[in-house]
Amino acid sequence: DVKVTQSSRYLVKRTGEKVFLECVQDMDHENMFWYRQDPGLGLRLIYFSYDVKMKEKGDIPEGYSVSREKKERFSLILESASTNQTSMYLCASRGILRTSGRKQFFGPGTRLTVL
Amino acid sequence: DQQVKQNSPSLSVQEGRISILNCDYTNSMFDYFLWYKKYPAEGPTFLISISSIKDKNEDGRFTVFLNKSAKHLSLHIVPSQPGDSAVYFCAASGSGAGSYQLTFGKGTKLSVIP
Repeated sequence: DVKVTQSSRYLVKRTGEKVFLECVQDMDHENMFWYRQDPGLGLRLIYFSYDVKMKEKGDIPEGYSVSREKKERFSLILESASTNQTSMYLCASRGILRTSGRKQFFGPGTRLTVL
Repeated sequence: DQQVKQNSPSLSVQEGRISILNCDYTNSMFDYFLWYKKYPAEGPTFLISISSIKDKNEDGRFTVFLNKSAKHLSLHIVPSQPGDSAVYFCAASGSGAGSYQLTFGKGTKLSVIP
């Protein structure tokens, strides 16, 4: 089974802090994604990466950046955390379309609270 | 503009009965649809999917129906069980460059009453 792990389940940070959320997958997947989930808004795509060192903006990239130095690891960075970034952050991965289809596998999520 | 809509935020169903969750989409470029199930404090897990070349896909108690002309899909759970209580997200994907992304609805919270 695919395993996607996220570095923290719960995180509390202060406004203005730099925050790193880490995601690791063990299935040699090419594609990785960061979403945030908010009540009544569903899942919204922040950034995705289709290969090492490659990144693409999703629907809500403002206030975030990402890093993908190794295939198995995809990091989400909040340069200066703000209270409106309090949310559940979900990482996902997917293999190449030809073999894996479009199904994405999700990690357990990180509940981030910014005070 | 919301491209994938789940208009019912919540649904309550008696155990053993059918649960029907609905989803509408507006983007005619979507050609693949997925349903995910999410328990609190966990990540979404894949449930079932359907390609636009089909109008039905079945997997055990779960069946997804697709009506392309109406841009509507539905997930049927028969019979419903208390363990099915969760939030269900509908997601859609386009082809080509659009196949990287999944566009999600806002979710429907299903409660199955014992």
